[in-house]
Amino acid sequence: DSGVTQTPKHLITATGQRVTLRCSPRSGDLSVYWYQQSLDQGLQFLIQYYNGEERAKGNILERFSAQQFPDLHSELNLSSLELGDSALYFCASSVGPQNTGELFFGEGSRLTVL
Amino acid sequence: GNSVTQMEGPVTLSEEAFLTINCTYTATGYPSLFWYVQYPGEGLQLLLKATKADDKGSNKGFEATYRKETTSFHLEKGSVQVSDSAVYFCALSDRGTDKLIFGTGTRLQVFP
Repeated sequence: DSGVTQTPKHLITATGQRVTLRCSPRSGDLSVYWYQQSLDQGLQFLIQYYNGEERAKGNILERFSAQQFPDLHSELNLSSLELGDSALYFCASSVGPQNTGELFFGEGSRLTVL
Repeated sequence: GNSVTQMEGPVTLSEEAFLTINCTYTATGYPSLFWYVQYPGEGLQLLLKATKADDKGSNKGFEATYRKETTSFHLEKGSVQVSDSAVYFCALSDRGTDKLIFGTGTRLQVFP
């Protein structure tokens, strides 16, 4: 158990809809990272938050947004969903702002867009 | 830009066989290198790391040596077990952009 909690574990929705994925980081960790894992794209970094502020941005689409709340949990919002957004979305956490590479991953939220 | 290339899978082995999963990287500067493992139905877990040239990372019988001259970080294990069946990801930490860049993953299947 990594200590990172993600909900929901599975989500099925239709094209055009909007969903929110939730992540609670490991106790004491201030950074939260979001990754998308799909069969054709592999593991892609989306965005990082540190202590409530956006710290780094990766290949995140404009239809996607994220935020980190004062209690350090984070939410990833995916809107105007397309079939290609079907993927496993991972949240990871670490202690500091710098990505030292030592991340703790949750079990992921599997999104299926029909 | 920085990138990581891993050998295509799946790698299929019998129990107690020797394992090598190749990983090479392209990077400016001197990144840190990592191997992560993803067991079925789980998130990724850090397996081992190396932060500078000639460092050897090791954990659970797995080893990898940071080879600057060949820009490689191959994962090895002398005797695999069925429980090692998983997907293995090589990654580098890009000091410039502060991002962790993953390879595409290599699936290992070990049969009794």
